[in-house]
Amino acid sequence: NAGVMQNPRHLVRRRGQEARLRCSPMKGHSHVYWYRQLPEEGLKFMVYLQKENIIDESGMPKERFSAEFPKEGPSILRIQQVVRGDSAAYFCASSPQKGTNTEAFFGQGTRLTVV
Amino acid sequence: TQLLEQSPQFLSIQEGENLTVYCNSSSVFSSLQWYRQEPGEGPVLLVTVVTGGEVKKLKRLTFQFGDARKDSSLHITAAQPGDTGLYLCAGAGGTSYGKLTFGQGTILTVHP
Repeated sequence: NAGVMQNPRHLVRRRGQEARLRCSPMKGHSHVYWYRQLPEEGLKFMVYLQKENIIDESGMPKERFSAEFPKEGPSILRIQQVVRGDSAAYFCASSPQKGTNTEAFFGQGTRLTVV
Repeated sequence: TQLLEQSPQFLSIQEGENLTVYCNSSSVFSSLQWYRQEPGEGPVLLVTVVTGGEVKKLKRLTFQFGDARKDSSLHITAAQPGDTGLYLCAGAGGTSYGKLTFGQGTILTVHP
């Protein structure tokens, strides 16, 4: 029973390049959430997606960041033209159903380093 | 905007001591979750509390949700070095449908 799978675990990008982070939710889960953890800070919500729909993107920076969760395949968080300030750990979580009392299970994260 | 204030930020104690971590907010949450995160790993869910006044126990860990569902505490009895890690509280619900508001975390170090 595989958990939430994220890849890559570590990603190094030069300034100006694109970063693509992938997340496969737990089996049977159709809701995906992305969070960012900056050094010395807590986790901050970025975006909530269902299959083919963005439900809440209130935590997403207005520029350069986008997310999708296609009908088939993993959810993708894309960061265009990365800058040093994008260096952080990005976590994906998934839950099985709609509702405010759903438990979120996290992946191991992708650690992005921008050089 | 919902905020969760978690305290203390750092806690360094000797093996065998007891400790309590607090999460407080001015907002009401429909549920509150406690996670533990190891370095280089993702948060691992410890418990979810849903009902105001609810108390849940997990071995030496006791979790409580405030009556008004605005605060929560984690109490560890007779701490062990294996308890060392980052503890995070996270609130769900209210107007923040579908997303968690995390506290800043408590870094616990238990010395043998």
